[in-house]
Amino acid sequence: QSALTQPPSASGSPGQSVTISCTGTSSDVGGYNYVSWYQQHPGKAPKLMIYEVTKRPSGVPDRFSGSKSGHTASLTVSGLQAEDEADYYCGSYAGSSNFVFGGGTKLTVL
Amino acid sequence: QLQVQESGPGLVKPSETLSLTCTVSGGSISTSNYYWGWIRQPPGKGLEWIASIYYTGSTYYNPSLKSRVTISVDTSKNQFSLNLRSVTAADTAAYYCARHITWRFDPWGRGTLVTVSS
Repeated sequence: QSALTQPPSASGSPGQSVTISCTGTSSDVGGYNYVSWYQQHPGKAPKLMIYEVTKRPSGVPDRFSGSKSGHTASLTVSGLQAEDEADYYCGSYAGSSNFVFGGGTKLTVL
Repeated sequence: QLQVQESGPGLVKPSETLSLTCTVSGGSISTSNYYWGWIRQPPGKGLEWIASIYYTGSTYYNPSLKSRVTISVDTSKNQFSLNLRSVTAADTAAYYCARHITWRFDPWGRGTLVTVSS
């Protein structure tokens, strides 16, 4: 299977909003509502930020939101803060008991 | 609060078998609807799901790695394990274990770096 497609980088100033895209196919993102997003700070383990496209785990700020349109899922971070600077990965169920991640996006807070 | 923690050798020789164990604490590995998974990340690169297992022994494997991977569970020790055979330098990565719930992974362990080198 192929990795989901994410932009290598994204950026925004404190207080602004930034959206990161995650493009797949009808066999993964487009076919199921099992898209999740993970935040990873340097040298740290990934942390679940969004699951099932739009749901936020307990403790994740509501500045983080997810959506999906067709084969593309998106993560929006509103009211950017310095601590949001990290790598972000999307992931999706890909059918036949298979799972695929995106290549990752480095978010820079200017 | 549930936690998972990886353990195992940090250095493996080419062609040998990489073996890692994940210990679950703060909860039972035999909880219904929870799978347990392994994910890896080569240095400077992205994440790759490897495999997941249910406490009954039911397994899911990444098709690209399936021929070299075995995942197993020991409910008496609240642990699950990964074996990756015939490793090469391309298998050098940080290996993470995580709880796998309805195709999401949470929480993750801190990860363990495994280097394949002679």
